[in-house]
Order: sequence, then C-alpha cells, then structure tokens
Amino acid sequence: NAGVTQTPKFQVLKTGQSMTLQCAQDMNHEYMSWYRQDPGMGLRLIHYSVGAGITDQGEVPNGYNVSRSTTEDFPLRLLSAAPSQTSVYFCASSYSLQGSSYNSPLHFGNGTRLTVT
Amino acid sequence: KNEVEQSPQNLTAQEGEFITINCSYSVGISALHWLQQHPGGGIVSLFMLSSGKKKHGRLIATINIQEKHSSLHITASHPRDSAVYICAVRRHSGGGADGLTFGKGTHLIIQP
Repeated sequence: NAGVTQTPKFQVLKTGQSMTLQCAQDMNHEYMSWYRQDPGMGLRLIHYSVGAGITDQGEVPNGYNVSRSTTEDFPLRLLSAAPSQTSVYFCASSYSLQGSSYNSPLHFGNGTRLTVT
Repeated sequence: KNEVEQSPQNLTAQEGEFITINCSYSVGISALHWLQQHPGGGIVSLFMLSSGKKKHGRLIATINIQEKHSSLHITASHPRDSAVYICAVRRHSGGGADGLTFGKGTHLIIQP
C-alpha cells in the first residue's frame, strides 16, 4: 500500500494563477481532508469529505474548491492564488467518522509546500 | 486561550536523555492523537489514546482524562527522534468539522 500520496511536493505560483493539489489514498478510506499548516499555528481544516460525492467546508475554506468523484481521490483546487495561501498543505484520510470508527487513526500525506508570489 | 496547549514549544536535549512533552486541553474529548513530523516530511500518527497508557518501542503515551492532560515520553532519546510532535484532540462536538483540534507542536532537537 502506498498510503496517502500527495503531489506536487513543491509549487511556486504567481498571484492569480490557479492550480490543483492532488491527493490519493489506496486504503479504501471513507474520510479524506485537506489541512494547511502555517508557522505558529496548529493544522487548520480547509475542506473534508466523508465519502464519494460528499464534501463540506472546514475552518478556512475560502479560496479553495474540492471534489470527491471517487473514494480514492480528493483534489484541492486553488481558484486564484493569493500570497495568503502560501503554506504547507496536508491531505489526510481515515477509515470513517461514523460510529466506532470516529476515532480511527489518521493517515497523512507528505505535504505540499506552496509559495504564492 | 487555545483549546489544546503543548509544552514546551521547543526542547533541545542530549542523546540518551528521557524526554517528556505535555499536552493539555480544555474540552471534552473522545480521543487524543500524538503525531510526529520530521523536517521537510510528512506527518505520522504515533498514538491514539482514549484512556491509560500506550507504548511503542521507546515511545510511551499517557492520558489522564480527569485532568485533561496527556504526556508523550521518549526513553533513551536519539538524534533521529528530532522532529515536531503534535497533539490533536478529537472533540465530542465542535472543533473543526471533523472534530479535530490541533496543538501548535513541540519542536524537539536531540543532539549527539
């Protein structure tokens, strides 16, 4: 199993450009999420999905879109990049948020370091 | 006040020392996670606790639900233990939409 795979590892964008961060997992996990990590702050939830076709906003969703057309993939789209979106982005998955699986272990990707100039 | 507080923020120790990292939280939780993040690398889940104590190799995690406190201990520390250690709690309700609230992390450096 590859676990959670994120691409690219690094990206530099100019203000106003758009791009998609890719995330794929091969563990048949229902729950997938995107976080951003900024200096001096804990991880913050951007968007999440509890299954194919279902997505919802997290704490800091503005400027980002997501879709979940398959169980495996959960891409994050930056519509018009801004310097405030310079951050490290992590995709994560877990088996489920339902019932006894609510406390399933978390699996993270290796992160994408994004710089917007 | 942050709902999840870690201490210390930074810790530098010599190889072989016993390390303790603390996590205090102020909300009702269903579980607490300890995560490890190496420089430039991804995040790895070390432990998930809802009570008591867990051990994996040289790592030990404890939780006291009544005191809303957890500790992560590293015995016989080694330079490869140098990383950021993150505490995250899964709230009964609220928090992020997935119920998770993260601490800011403890940056640990083990010198040879």
